[in-house]
Amino acid sequence: AQSVTQLDSQVPVFEEAPVELRCNYSSSVSVYLFWYVQYPNQGLQLLLKYLSGSTLVKGINGFEAEFNKSQTSFHLRKPSVHISDTAEYFCAVRTGSSNTGKLIFGQGTTLQVKP
Amino acid sequence: GAVVSQHPSRVICKSGTSVKIECRSLDFQATTMFWYRQFPKKSLMLMATSNEGSKATYEQGVEKDKFLINHASLTLSTLTVTSAHPEDSSFYICSGVGKYNEQFFGPGTRLTVL
Repeated sequence: AQSVTQLDSQVPVFEEAPVELRCNYSSSVSVYLFWYVQYPNQGLQLLLKYLSGSTLVKGINGFEAEFNKSQTSFHLRKPSVHISDTAEYFCAVRTGSSNTGKLIFGQGTTLQVKP
Repeated sequence: GAVVSQHPSRVICKSGTSVKIECRSLDFQATTMFWYRQFPKKSLMLMATSNEGSKATYEQGVEKDKFLINHASLTLSTLTVTSAHPEDSSFYICSGVGKYNEQFFGPGTRLTVL
C-alpha cells in the first residue's frame, strides 16, 4: 500500500530565509507525486507535480521539489520565503498504474513565516 | 486551472438533521469526483470516489448509509450527511478529475453539528 510521511509537522522560518519541507513516500509501483498548499479555510491548490522526466520540478510561487527515487523522497524547497507563504503544505502520491486520480496525502506541514 | 465550487461554504445544523453539500465543476466535465474529510490540523482523508451515473465507491471505514453520494451529472456531485451528529463536524472537500487526471479541489465546506 502507498503511504506518505511528512517528517515535520511545523516549520518556523524567518522571512527571506530558505526553507525545505520534507516528504517521503512508500510504494511498490511507480508513483506520481504532488505538493499542495492550503490557506486557512480554503481548499487545496496545486504547487507542483512530478509525473516523469526531469527529477527537479519547478512550481508556482517560486517553489521547487526534487524527486529522489533511491531515497523515496520528494522534498519541497524555496530559496526565500515570504510572509504570504504561511500555510499548510501537503505532499501526496498517486500510483502510476491507476487512472482514477486517487491521492494519498501526508499529514501536512505548517509553514510559519515570521517577520 | 479548472474551477470547482462547493455550496454551502459553511453550515451549522442540529444533531439528527441531514445536510447536503454540493460540488460543481464550473468549466470542465468531471466523470470522477472525490470527497475528502479533513479534521483540524490533520491530513485529508479520502471518503469516497464518485463516478457519474454509477454508485460511489467508499473507502474502508466510511459508512455509505450515513454519507450518501450522488453524482447525477458530469458537473455535479452531492454529499448528504444523514442524521448528523457532533462527531460529523468537519471540513469536507471535494475534487473533480480533469481531462488529464489532474484533481481540482473545491474550497471546502465547514460543517458544524450542534
